[in-house]
Amino acid sequence: DQQVKQNSPSLSVQEGRISILNCDYTNSMFDYFLWYKKYPAEGPTFLISISSIKDKNEDGRFTVFLNKSAKHLSLHIVPSQPGDSAVYFCAAITQGGSEKLVFGKGTKLTVNP
Amino acid sequence: DVKVTQSSRYLVKRTGEKVFLECVQDMDHENMFWYRQDPGLGLRLIYFSYDVKMKEKGDIPEGYSVSREKKERFSLILESASTNQTSMYLCASTPPSGRGDTQYFGPGTRLTVL
Repeated sequence: DQQVKQNSPSLSVQEGRISILNCDYTNSMFDYFLWYKKYPAEGPTFLISISSIKDKNEDGRFTVFLNKSAKHLSLHIVPSQPGDSAVYFCAAITQGGSEKLVFGKGTKLTVNP
Repeated sequence: DVKVTQSSRYLVKRTGEKVFLECVQDMDHENMFWYRQDPGLGLRLIYFSYDVKMKEKGDIPEGYSVSREKKERFSLILESASTNQTSMYLCASTPPSGRGDTQYFGPGTRLTVL
């Protein structure tokens, strides 16, 4: 049973526009959420995170929104750049628990020049 | 600077071979993880370890074993490689009671089993 779902396997956006990547989760015990970015032939790198006590966290061009009642989070990238083309993984964890991240299947973002 | 290294970037093995994938971290982290990444399946946890000589099964441990003899080193072993183990293998480490943002990944090993 998938606890973290990224229903869009791919997304294509024009440079300069907004990219919105979505993620849904089913486990209400998750209290911390993260986005990782992965380029081909490299390991994932941490991008941005949000605690369940917040509904928004911003870092430069990246903003993550959390809707706890809907068990939904989204990553906004504004403006999108060609260098943002990568696979984005949503992940969730229960802090103080097993410390295992639960990952979604990823969304491949392509930003066209 | 944080560093997680994996012994090989690319590896080609034959069916039935015993395969060792090595991971070393230089951050004195207690927790280490092995994942595999496959298209359409995302990152799936194979095994993890909270401390030396300790190991826990992840979501897909079948066909794999691990070894953690030293804190900095976590090895993934394929006892008898099969073609369905062709994948990208990623190692990660994190300090105890860390949030996910402190999970550092290695560059990955692309394993092909013929």
